[in-house]
Amino acid sequence: EAQVTQNPRYLITVTGKKLTVTCSQNMNHEYMSWYRQDPGLGLRQIYYSMNVEVTDKGDVPEGYKVSRKEKRNFPLILESPSPNQTSLYFCASSLFVSGELFFGEGSRLTVL
Amino acid sequence: GESVGLHLPTLSVQEGDNSIINCAYSNSASDYFIWYKQESGKGPQFIIDIRSNMDKRQGQRVTVLLNKTVKHLSLQIAATQPGDSAVYFCAERRSNNNDMRFGAGTRLTVKP
Repeated sequence: EAQVTQNPRYLITVTGKKLTVTCSQNMNHEYMSWYRQDPGLGLRQIYYSMNVEVTDKGDVPEGYKVSRKEKRNFPLILESPSPNQTSLYFCASSLFVSGELFFGEGSRLTVL
Repeated sequence: GESVGLHLPTLSVQEGDNSIINCAYSNSASDYFIWYKQESGKGPQFIIDIRSNMDKRQGQRVTVLLNKTVKHLSLQIAATQPGDSAVYFCAERRSNNNDMRFGAGTRLTVKP
């Protein structure tokens, strides 16, 4: 089944404790992206990647890192999480940048 | 500033009626638009897209209209069903950029 898989789906952590949210797609998509969703603000892009080893900042990259060492994986790294990073995070992929985005189920992160 | 926004945050319709969800965008350089549907607890799902060289595109029970003159996008859902209840997002991609910008979303509620 074609899908985008995120883990963990739910996480409660404390300020400053590094964490990684993994994202994997099995569709051989070139383009991958991370979004955060906050009430009233919709989806805001954090980082995106056009292909392996190519990543770029989105609208709200501060406090996040990403890597794209393999085509299928695009992990989101929070080196030192802070409470303002409490949010619902979505990973998405598409065959090309201009194509339909396929979203994961979301990862709800709470930083205390 | 640049924005993708929605005229109404909520919309309530009677089952069987047609629904119209509106979206305004401000960047005339945008060349690709997508409507997504997000059900509770799930990631957004692609509904329909349209490129800037078109003004109308139809899918199954859905139609997207694009008015470039006034920078307006709408999603029409025919014979709305309870399963259509969700949050609907419009998204735009600017031709000189690679990221998708999402609106804040409209919550559609279908009354039986």
